[in-house]
Amino acid sequence: EVQLVQSGAEIKKPGEPLKISCQGSGYNFATYWVAWVRQMPGKGLEWMGIIYPGDSDTRYSSDFEGQVTISVDKSINTAYLRWNTLKASDSAMYFCARPRDSSGFDAFDLWGQGTLVTVSS
Amino acid sequence: DIQVTQSPSSLSASIGDRVTITCRASQDVFQYLNWYQHKPGRAPKLLIFDTSELETGVPSRFSGNGSGTHFILTINGLQPEDFATYYCLQHSDLFTFGGGTRVDI
Repeated sequence: EVQLVQSGAEIKKPGEPLKISCQGSGYNFATYWVAWVRQMPGKGLEWMGIIYPGDSDTRYSSDFEGQVTISVDKSINTAYLRWNTLKASDSAMYFCARPRDSSGFDAFDLWGQGTLVTVSS
Repeated sequence: DIQVTQSPSSLSASIGDRVTITCRASQDVFQYLNWYQHKPGRAPKLLIFDTSELETGVPSRFSGNGSGTHFILTINGLQPEDFATYYCLQHSDLFTFGGGTRVDI
């Protein structure tokens, strides 16, 4: 089965680091970009950034560049989203997603189940 | 960065209604505009890609059209399962979501 499986919900304190994951299976992980999307409570979807597992080419939304780091370990078919210092405003649901086509940027047709991150003192 | 303005932000409709949602891009995105349905606690679902192509398994009451900077999602004959939030997404230059349209009763 083609799927993206994300790591579980996290409860963290402000200032703590965090890394969440997204593991792909059932397809050639290295040849499809993997994106991260944020949804803050009661708000809309926001594209954060995208990485190509084959060569780790990474692009960020200007709203998120410098705020998070996207990385990948293609040996275990897993992409990551990392924060060095969490803030309360990072509390959100985070989704990973894969484009339809491996040739480049395309509509996201495969999504992870989401990882809920709660940052509170 | 390309900005995408979606309207309306919310609407109320009844079963059987025809619903239209609009997205306007700040610059030409060609045909690279997609539509998603999102329900609470679930992953977004792709409905339409490349302006007007229906994703496999999506009912034909959903349709999309437009080009360049102006795009429309139409739901013909709203069904109970269609009450959700809808988003457009451009992928001409990186990616940008519209602000979303909540469709409720």
